[in-house]
Amino acid sequence: KQEVTQIPAALSVPEGENLVLNCSFTDSAIYNLQWFRQDPGKGLTSLLLIQSSQREQTSGRLNASLDKSSGRSTLYIAASQPGDSATYLCAVLESGGGADGLTFGKGTHLIIQP
Amino acid sequence: EAEVAQSPRYKITEKSQAVAFWCDPISGHATLYWYRQILGQGPELLVQFQDESVVDDSQLPKDRFSAERLKGVDSTLKIQPAELGDSAMYLCASSPDQGDTQYFGPGTRLTVL
Repeated sequence: KQEVTQIPAALSVPEGENLVLNCSFTDSAIYNLQWFRQDPGKGLTSLLLIQSSQREQTSGRLNASLDKSSGRSTLYIAASQPGDSATYLCAVLESGGGADGLTFGKGTHLIIQP
Repeated sequence: EAEVAQSPRYKITEKSQAVAFWCDPISGHATLYWYRQILGQGPELLVQFQDESVVDDSQLPKDRFSAERLKGVDSTLKIQPAELGDSAMYLCASSPDQGDTQYFGPGTRLTVL
């Protein structure tokens, strides 16, 4: 059974710092990997999706990398801002077709101090 | 920009009562998912529909939960009877087809007293 782990569970940094969030998964047979953002009491907003054949994706100040063979992904946030404060969730979609519910980690709770 | 709609946003009920949640996916999206998120955890899939057919309901507690998507558009998730452990956020997501990016609605926060 696929398991997704996110480290650290919580992170607090001053505004302006660059930071890295980590995600690992146990079964490398994935179709894609997504990073989501979740604000308190709200739904999920998709940030980046990396297909299994890709190594990285970039959107603005966000960069996500994927090392499928080692079962790891990182989300890099450049020049952090207080508005980046949220919970960041990593999720994998396993290969095989048919049922394709995402398997999520527990998230990293990020606080950017003004 | 099209969004996934869910209602109600909040629901408080007593245990043993019945509750129902509604989801309207993005127009044209064939695949619809219901997830449950317990506080402090990541979402877990309950059921997946492709059009009106169930693709995966292996994690749906079928003794008390039911889900339907009769016309392959909007969907309803029902719990009867509700238990204290059902308190969670219920999230609906849709995607154009299997394997595509999933777009999430705002969720329904259920509290069972």
